[in-house]
Amino acid sequence: GAGVSQSPRYKVAKRGQDVALRCDPISGHVSLFWYQQALGQGPEFLTYFQNEAQLDKSGLPSDRFFAERPEGSVSTLKIQRTQQEDSAVYLCASSPVGQAYEQYFGPGTRLTVT
Amino acid sequence: GIQVEQSPPDLILQEGANSTLRCNFSDSVNNLQWFHQNPWGQLINLFYIPSGTKQNGRLSATTVATERYSLLYISSSQTTDSGVYFCAAAYNFNKFYFGSGTKLNVKP
Repeated sequence: GAGVSQSPRYKVAKRGQDVALRCDPISGHVSLFWYQQALGQGPEFLTYFQNEAQLDKSGLPSDRFFAERPEGSVSTLKIQRTQQEDSAVYLCASSPVGQAYEQYFGPGTRLTVT
Repeated sequence: GIQVEQSPPDLILQEGANSTLRCNFSDSVNNLQWFHQNPWGQLINLFYIPSGTKQNGRLSATTVATERYSLLYISSSQTTDSGVYFCAAAYNFNKFYFGSGTKLNVKP
């Protein structure tokens, strides 16, 4: 079956632009996670959804970052007024009910802010 | 949060060699996982192992929760094992803390 998909795969934004990154989780997966991975580093947690509820957003680095999952399936991570330090790969993962340890990751979106 | 330290940071192996990767974590956790990130950036879940030992083919993992470390063993390494291996720990199943990874290069 289809895995987690993310779009776009690559995004170049000029400093100050707003961007929106999309994640399509595996159908039926309740939990959805967003991570930020800087070059040469491990992923860092940004936020977590269970269905449409955003249960943890403690990892969002500033109020320029906003995530939503309005119908409990597709999620969008929005970054307003992008800065160069926002350049990273943004990873999305989903997991089924009761088996949150089985995280399935998407291929990521590589964001470059110039 | 949980501090996760991985060693070594880089590892070069000849095909067929064995290796051990280590992960130390700073707190008692309910969730410890190993991931492989291939050269194309795809993260694959290898083991969910908050304690004990598991094996899957040429890979095995052991976590000693009381001493706050986990080991990933790779036997008879193959070039396809190349990539970065990450350890991730969490208090529950929600917020994962990743280490900086061990970059493995298996040469033919």
